[in-house]
Amino acid sequence: KAGVTQTPRYLIKTRGQQVTLSCSPISGHRSVSWYQQTPGQGLQFLFEYFSETQRNKGNFPGRFSGRQFSNSRSEMNVSTLELGDSALYLCASSPGRGRIRETQYFGPGTRLLVL
Amino acid sequence: QQPVQSPQAVILREGEDAVINCSSSKALYSVHWYRQKHGEAPVFLMILLKGGEQKGHEKISASFNEKKQQSSLYLTASQLSYSGTYFCGTEDGGSNYKLTFGKGTLLTVNP
Repeated sequence: KAGVTQTPRYLIKTRGQQVTLSCSPISGHRSVSWYQQTPGQGLQFLFEYFSETQRNKGNFPGRFSGRQFSNSRSEMNVSTLELGDSALYLCASSPGRGRIRETQYFGPGTRLLVL
Repeated sequence: QQPVQSPQAVILREGEDAVINCSSSKALYSVHWYRQKHGEAPVFLMILLKGGEQKGHEKISASFNEKKQQSSLYLTASQLSYSGTYFCGTEDGGSNYKLTFGKGTLLTVNP
């Protein structure tokens, strides 16, 4: 099986711009979670989607949003970028049969640099 | 609330053992352990579920003390390939479909 793929892998934006990141889960996986990883804060949960529905959301401002499509692919969007949004954005997929007590498989991440 | 990992960093010689701890202030349903090498995605190591079930790699062991909301990851006879940052992720009763990760433990194994 192909793993989780994320595009683009690297991105440079300037403050005030918006960005859209994409995640394709492992075939058959219906749950996609997004995380922000920074050296100071570690891995922080952004949101989780299952069957096009957001089931949980982390403590991030409304500038961070996401969605999931019927084929389980997911996108996240960050509007009005700030310098502090520079981070590695990881998505992880899991089968989504029940609670999160399942292995999550991480993608390689998108590294976003905001100038 | 973020689980607390200890130690923050540890340096070993090949063949030595290490224990990494993860502690939460909340009642936990499960604890997940991941290892991340520099520039790579986190890789699954182990899940420990409330009630005692475990799923993970054969060469890695872990424990989950449900009463104390603590988990420990045991790395024995360490190899150079064990180097990386180890994260625990916790799932508590009030956070459906969400893992909260600790800040990580940097493990360095030297020859």
